[in-house]
Amino acid sequence: NAGVTQTPKFRILKIGQSMTLQCAQDMNHNYMYWYRQDPGMGLKLIYYSVGAGITDKGEVPNGYNVSRSTTEDFPLRLELAAPSQTSVYFCASSYGTSGEASYEQYFGPGTRLTVT
Amino acid sequence: KNQVEQSPQSLIILEGKNCTLQCNYTVSPFSNLRWYKQDTGRGPVSLTIMTFSENTKSNGRYTATLDADTKQSSLHITASQLSDSASYICVVIQTGANNLFFGTGTRLTVIP
Repeated sequence: NAGVTQTPKFRILKIGQSMTLQCAQDMNHNYMYWYRQDPGMGLKLIYYSVGAGITDKGEVPNGYNVSRSTTEDFPLRLELAAPSQTSVYFCASSYGTSGEASYEQYFGPGTRLTVT
Repeated sequence: KNQVEQSPQSLIILEGKNCTLQCNYTVSPFSNLRWYKQDTGRGPVSLTIMTFSENTKSNGRYTATLDADTKQSSLHITASQLSDSASYICVVIQTGANNLFFGTGTRLTVIP
């Protein structure tokens, strides 16, 4: 199993550009998550999905969009990139809700995004 | 307000020594608490998951404790190794929720 994979690893965007961060998992997990990690800060949840076709906002969803057309893939779309979106983005997945201790979250390696 | 605070922010120890990292939280209602290890440039990896009824859990040289009454947890690392150099993140999850509350982490450096 490859686990959770993310592409690209690094990206530099100009202000106002758009891009899609890709995330895929091969563990047949129902739940998928997008987080951002700013320097010196804890990870913050952007969006999550409990299954194909179902998505919901997390703590910091503004400026982002997601879709979940398949169990495996959960892309994150940035429209009109702004410097405040400079961050490291992590995708994660789990079989069930993290509200249950038996379900572990598995993280991808991250995408480092710089908006200038 | 739901918060997770970790101390110290950073720590340097000699290889072979023990250390203890602290986590205090105000998240409620509480479901479970997780400790993650995050190597530089990598995603977090789970070390332990503890529920309300568990007050200690081990994973090799890592031992986590939980006091749900005082809302405190600690992660004890025994006989540290150079590969233990990483950030250690405390995460608290609410009952029935998918939102995880992350601490800012403790940056541990183990030196020879």
